Amino acid sequence: QSALTQPPSASGSPGQSVTISCSGTNNDVGGYNFVSWYQQHPGKAPKLMIYEVTKRPSGVPDRFSGSKSGNTASLTVSRLEADDEADYYCSSFAGNNLHVVFGGGTKLTVL
Amino acid sequence: QVQLVQSGAEVKEPGASVKVSCKASGYTFTSYAVHWVRQAPGQRLEWMGWINTANENTKYSQKFQGRVTITRDTSASTAYMELSSLRSEDTAVYYCARSTYYDISRFGPWGQGTLVIVSS
Repeated sequence: QSALTQPPSASGSPGQSVTISCSGTNNDVGGYNFVSWYQQHPGKAPKLMIYEVTKRPSGVPDRFSGSKSGNTASLTVSRLEADDEADYYCSSFAGNNLHVVFGGGTKLTVL
Repeated sequence: QVQLVQSGAEVKEPGASVKVSCKASGYTFTSYAVHWVRQAPGQRLEWMGWINTANENTKYSQKFQGRVTITRDTSASTAYMELSSLRSEDTAVYYCARSTYYDISRFGPWGQGTLVIVSS
């Protein structure tokens, strides 16, 4: 199972919006509405930010939103704040093997 | 509160095995799956496998098949990950994470991570 494809880096200024993509195949991202996004600060465990493509866990600000079109999912962070600077990973259910696959990660820099 | 607490850091020689534990609290252990994910220094998250804590069924990433074994002890609400034939490339932080059975890609919460160093 190959990793999902994410851009290695993204950036934006405080107050701006940034979108991070996550590309897969019909066997993972495109085939199921089970895409999640995680935020990871240096030295910390990942934190769930989005699940089932668009849903936010309790406590996650509504500045974080998810979407999907075809084989590509996206995470949009609106009204950027300094603390949003972190690595972001997507994950997807990967089909009939009951496996999970992660993306390569995107480093978000708040300028 | 819902929490996963992992065992402490390990230093192993190449060829050895390591077994990391993940103790769950704050919820019914068998109502959720437990996954293992690793992250080598400066690298991406890498899914290793998961266990259905209710019936003990397991699924492993093809990359680790044959070297990884995930088990659980329901009486202790604890899951375990054992990795054998260790090599230097296995140096990483190993995380456990809970998921629902409905959406096994939805991980939360995560354990604090266990650093495993493989070195002679």
